[in-house]
Amino acid sequence: GENVEQHPSTLSVQEGDSAVIKCTYSDSASNYFPWYKQELGKRPQLIIDIRSNVGEKKDQRIAVTLNKTAKHFSLHITETQPEDSAVYFCAARGKRAGNMLTFGGGTRLMVKP
Amino acid sequence: KAGVTQTPRYLIKTRGQQVTLSCSPISGHRSVSWYQQTPGQGLQFLFEYFSETQRNKGNFPGRFSGRQFSNSRSEMNVSTLELGDSALYLCASSPPGTGMNTEAFFGQGTRLTVV
Repeated sequence: GENVEQHPSTLSVQEGDSAVIKCTYSDSASNYFPWYKQELGKRPQLIIDIRSNVGEKKDQRIAVTLNKTAKHFSLHITETQPEDSAVYFCAARGKRAGNMLTFGGGTRLMVKP
Repeated sequence: KAGVTQTPRYLIKTRGQQVTLSCSPISGHRSVSWYQQTPGQGLQFLFEYFSETQRNKGNFPGRFSGRQFSNSRSEMNVSTLELGDSALYLCASSPPGTGMNTEAFFGQGTRLTVV
């Protein structure tokens, strides 16, 4: 089955700096890669996703890149703000796997004011 | 449109008991997935139901089971509870359609504590 690894597990940055979180996946058939943000005590919420037919997607300060050959994808947050502090999860879904998502282990991002 | 609703929000059970958790998906969504979230193991997939049929199953023991009703509401059941079952149980629903348009929307979860 699919295996997703996520690094780093914790990331501390100064407000205004950029943050990058990286994930690798094992199933070359995976075609959908969402990123979720989970604030303390709240549900995971989708912040951006990318499908296997594109290499990059951007939404304001957030961008995701996908390298299908290397089977890795990354989340980039620019001009970080204290409210970006949360746990971020990457996930992958394979074409044959229904709606099952395989998640990475999560990254705790701390943005220091 | 109402979001994904899970009940109860909090639950305390004793070892050996059984528990049933409920999930009501977003109206029109037919796919419901369940995940277990623990500090050490992250988000682990339990199972997925689509149109009352289990479509996928994760690597959990048979004590974990689920079902889906004709109105797409889903329940999961854990029998013979163990201390290690203490976790946040999240369900997610996805809109109808095949292919790539399958974003998952999460409920707020049920926090189960086994004592």
